[in-house]
Amino acid sequence: ETGVTQTPRHLVMGMTNKKSLKCEQHLGHNAMYWYKQSAKKPLELMFVYSLEERVENNSVPSRFSPECPNSSHLFLHLHTLQPEDSALYLCASSPVGGSNTGELFFGEGSRLTVL
Amino acid sequence: GENVEQHPSTLSVQEGDSAVIKCTYSDSASNYFPWYKQELGKRPQLIIDIRSNVGEKKDQRIAVTLNKTAKHFSLHITETQPEDSAVYFCAANNAGGTSYGKLTFGQGTILTVHP
Repeated sequence: ETGVTQTPRHLVMGMTNKKSLKCEQHLGHNAMYWYKQSAKKPLELMFVYSLEERVENNSVPSRFSPECPNSSHLFLHLHTLQPEDSALYLCASSPVGGSNTGELFFGEGSRLTVL
Repeated sequence: GENVEQHPSTLSVQEGDSAVIKCTYSDSASNYFPWYKQELGKRPQLIIDIRSNVGEKKDQRIAVTLNKTAKHFSLHITETQPEDSAVYFCAANNAGGTSYGKLTFGQGTILTVHP
């Protein structure tokens, strides 16, 4: 199943590094999301892009910078992260408007470890 | 904003028994309540959902009930099997009139089904 693909699947980085997470969806959707999944915590919504426009930014620190160049691709640029940012970052997509049933389609996630 | 509480955090049952997971939500405007299953190392996947105009929905061994007055909804799994072992997340959609999904998730329940 390759509906929503995330790369890399695993990433280890130091606090001074700059890296990016990539998400690609092949479902023809127009909304894309970044969620953070930490141990023993609920999935936290970070960002939402609808029709390539950022529509949600849930008080995420500026060391996380999203980019949505087109409706099929979503990036999360990372710089000067902290160890507490270590988590599984999940990308999701959905249709918008009348086609939106509410269901989100998730990727497999990128497991990030910050040393 | 919306707040979703999920209980229990862990649930252990014998194969063939039933399992029940409960969630409460805070925003009476929420109108869509999905349940996601996440197997170890895999993506969350929708298993069943219910909308606020329906009180119960069933799909084979899985059912969901919704009590709008009390603002709680529950997942029921009957005749559990070892392959039902996973983390289950409830969520509520507080879209507030937006055309994209905006799910708030519960903390998750680790279900273990013993053969």
